[in-house]
Amino acid sequence: DAGITQSPRYKITETGRQVTLMCHQTWSHSYMFWYRQDLGHGLRLIYYSAAADITDKGEVPDGYVVSRSKTENFPLTLESATRSQTSVYFCASSEPGTGFGANVLTFGAGSRLTVL
Amino acid sequence: SQQGEEDPQALSIQEGENATMNCSYKTSINNLQWYRQNSGRGLVHLILIRSNEREKHSGRLRVTLDTSKKSSSLLITASRAADTASYFCATADSGGGADGLTFGKGTHLIIQP
Repeated sequence: DAGITQSPRYKITETGRQVTLMCHQTWSHSYMFWYRQDLGHGLRLIYYSAAADITDKGEVPDGYVVSRSKTENFPLTLESATRSQTSVYFCASSEPGTGFGANVLTFGAGSRLTVL
Repeated sequence: SQQGEEDPQALSIQEGENATMNCSYKTSINNLQWYRQNSGRGLVHLILIRSNEREKHSGRLRVTLDTSKKSSSLLITASRAADTASYFCATADSGGGADGLTFGKGTHLIIQP
């Protein structure tokens, strides 16, 4: 199926465990992003990637690790999950639009993570 | 920190009425975008307006941008029950690059039949 797929859609884990959220896109978009969505905070950027093997921190990167060995995959790892990382996580991708910085994002359906 | 701030946080109107949501932002932008999010789903892009544009239309959507006031508005005309969703403004700053968009906290719109 064409699009952007996140897995798992729902995950419950315990404090201190490692969790990896997967993101796969079929458009070969250059740019990929991870956001978290929390009540009262809206969406906040965790990490982004301009291309394979190029990643950079967003607004709230602490406690997260990303990698991008292939253009189509952008996994997000919580190395030691904490309760404050309970959230809905969205992966997104884009191509640079015409004109400087005109990126339009296409989002996955989200991964709802609960850390007990 | 949030770049965009939507107003109101919640809006409830009758089907057929027009809905207006506002967005304010803080820094210089390259473009401003509006997204819709249905409950339990990802965000969907609605419309983009560039910093050198003042108004843009797409179907029942009308977006305005006032860069001097650092504000934008989204008007949905002749609302339908299916328009019930949260609406977010998002800005791409003038620095450009691959660093994504900065989102506001959203306006939750309820269309009552």
